[in-house]
Amino acid sequence: AQKITQTQPGMFVQEKEAVTLDCTYDTSDQSYGLFWYKQPSSGEMIFLIYQGSYDEQNATEGRYSLNFQKARKSANLVISASQLGDSAMYFCAMREGLSQAGTALIFGKGTTLSVSS
Amino acid sequence: EAGVTQFPSHSVIEKGQTVTLRCDPISGHDNLYWYRRVMGKEIKFLLHFVKESKQDESGMPNNRFLAERTGGTYSTLKVQPAELEDSGVYFCASSQGLGDHVGSYNEQFFGPGTRLTVL
Repeated sequence: AQKITQTQPGMFVQEKEAVTLDCTYDTSDQSYGLFWYKQPSSGEMIFLIYQGSYDEQNATEGRYSLNFQKARKSANLVISASQLGDSAMYFCAMREGLSQAGTALIFGKGTTLSVSS
Repeated sequence: EAGVTQFPSHSVIEKGQTVTLRCDPISGHDNLYWYRRVMGKEIKFLLHFVKESKQDESGMPNNRFLAERTGGTYSTLKVQPAELEDSGVYFCASSQGLGDHVGSYNEQFFGPGTRLTVL
């Protein structure tokens, strides 16, 4: 079974609008972290935002916020006031076993976001 | 501070040839990871080094893949012999070591990737 599910292969939004990218996850761990990465056409992976399973408040980083609904096992990324430079592929990822310093990330298939003017 | 670097950025080889990918992590990062994204699929974990030791190699697809991290600094990933299905983008990532930020998210910093095409 997939551990990270991103059901939207592509999303389209106009500049200055907000957009939500969906992510659901599956884990039996109590301690885990959820990450969002951006991959522009140049190929590098850019870390955007993190949410820990024990964090009570939703994470925010500038125009990015993470809508964390633990009971539903969802960690949707919200981008406010979209910009043309936001056009990229977005990956949701999870790291289980946060009590260990190094465990691998589990990625979803990604969502391609296209922002138009 | 320099980020994670990978070499080469692109490699095109024929089936049956050998290719070696290199990753230089951020200085001082004990954890080094290799991931791979095959076209249209999700990014998959290959293996994890802690310093020079292989902590987890459960994602390595088969014995045609050999990873090393001599001296706990840079790492190489050799594919020998390469097959068509090995084509994809190979990412390297690094993070701080044991005792550093344990319990925190211990962010993994990614390199730009190596795009491997096997013809």
